[in-house]
Amino acid sequence: DAGVTQSPTHLIKTRGQQVTLRCSPKSGHDTVSWYQQALGQGPQFIFQYYEEEERQRGNFPDRFSGHQFPNYSSELNVNALLLGDSALYLCASSLDLLSYNSPLHFGNGTRLTVT
Amino acid sequence: AQSVTQPDIHITVSEGASLELRCNYSYGATPYLFWYVQSPGQGLQLLLKYFSGDTLVQGIKGFEAEFKRSQSSFNLRKPSVHWSDAAEYFCAVGDGSNQGGKLIFGQGTELSVKP
Repeated sequence: DAGVTQSPTHLIKTRGQQVTLRCSPKSGHDTVSWYQQALGQGPQFIFQYYEEEERQRGNFPDRFSGHQFPNYSSELNVNALLLGDSALYLCASSLDLLSYNSPLHFGNGTRLTVT
Repeated sequence: AQSVTQPDIHITVSEGASLELRCNYSYGATPYLFWYVQSPGQGLQLLLKYFSGDTLVQGIKGFEAEFKRSQSSFNLRKPSVHWSDAAEYFCAVGDGSNQGGKLIFGQGTELSVKP
């Protein structure tokens, strides 16, 4: 049973560029959440997708956008990259949008470096 | 707004010694509380969670945590630490939006284990 998979594992971009990160949820999970983890910090919630719609959003600018596909996989897009966007981006999937009873399963993340 | 504080950024314990990692939260009602562990280069793994009921909860890998409402704390404990427990530990609280997936994380506590 594959867990949450993310690609790529590492990425280096230049300021002003755009980036797309990808996530495949754990088998059977239909809800995907994205988190940003800066160095030395805890993860911060970016947004959550369910039924191909953004359901919740954290305190992130519109440069951060996402998408969920019919097979429940998801993408995170970041436009006009800033140096401060350098971080580990974590994808988490779960089974139940409306409850914490279904625990979040995290992928190993994508390490984004902006130069 | 909900918040989580982990007062200890880094803790070192000897192998076989007991461990307690501190977590304080700010939340108006009964919180959903979690402890996650992150090994280098890995995603987050759920150790245990508290929603209601018995204030002492057992988790995986021999960890337990105690919810103390009067102290707004949810400290993680282990009676005997193993070298493999060296990792980053995060306390998190559900944000109370009645939608799972959005967690507020503390800054993390890095645990080192001396042989």
